[in-house]
Amino acid sequence: DIQMTQSPSSLSASVGDRVTITCQASQDISNYLNWYQQKPGKAPKLLIYDASNLETGVPSRFSGSGSGTDFTFTISSLQPEDIATYYCQQYDNLPLVFGGGTKVEIK
Amino acid sequence: QVQLQESGPGLVKPSQTLSLTCTVSGGSISSGSYYWSWIRQPAGKGLEWIGRIYTSGSTNYNPSLKSRVTISVDTSKNQFSLKLSSVTAADTAVYYCARTSGYEDYWGQGTLVTVSS
Repeated sequence: DIQMTQSPSSLSASVGDRVTITCQASQDISNYLNWYQQKPGKAPKLLIYDASNLETGVPSRFSGSGSGTDFTFTISSLQPEDIATYYCQQYDNLPLVFGGGTKVEIK
Repeated sequence: QVQLQESGPGLVKPSQTLSLTCTVSGGSISSGSYYWSWIRQPAGKGLEWIGRIYTSGSTNYNPSLKSRVTISVDTSKNQFSLKLSSVTAADTAVYYCARTSGYEDYWGQGTLVTVSS
């Protein structure tokens, strides 16, 4: 199985801060990488697909980059409604695997 | 707008079979090139992919669960289902169904299944 190492596991930032989360794959997954946002008690929501494509309706402050084994997810200006846990997911190989998650809190 | 809704028992006894159904509305489960997936999440933990079924009926399962999992589809009812046999407390989780096309773009709200006697 491909392992997805996501870091940090949690972070605290102020409103307006730039927030960056990284995800590293244990082998080359090209750009087959998605990012999801999950708020407490809710289902995950797709934000970024194919490493860098913004899902329709998702605010432009969210972005993704990377290819191969190293990927980055960025919130350019953290908003109160962005409090959530974020997950990366590879879909290059089966089984599909999610990263361990990053819990984002407001400082 | 596609919507998915999980249904099934919220409590299952150890060693028994967990059975859930996902009803799809707002579109035909047979249309388009989509997989229909099951994903679970134990309380306070991360997401685990269980498996998926294509509209043709072909399936893929997580090897960690493969011996216990069956996913099937009923196109006449616009539903797909999950069966997980020989459950233990470790199978207690919120179970989600989702539409997959490389990414999961539509999700059900999730249903909590507790394994306990």
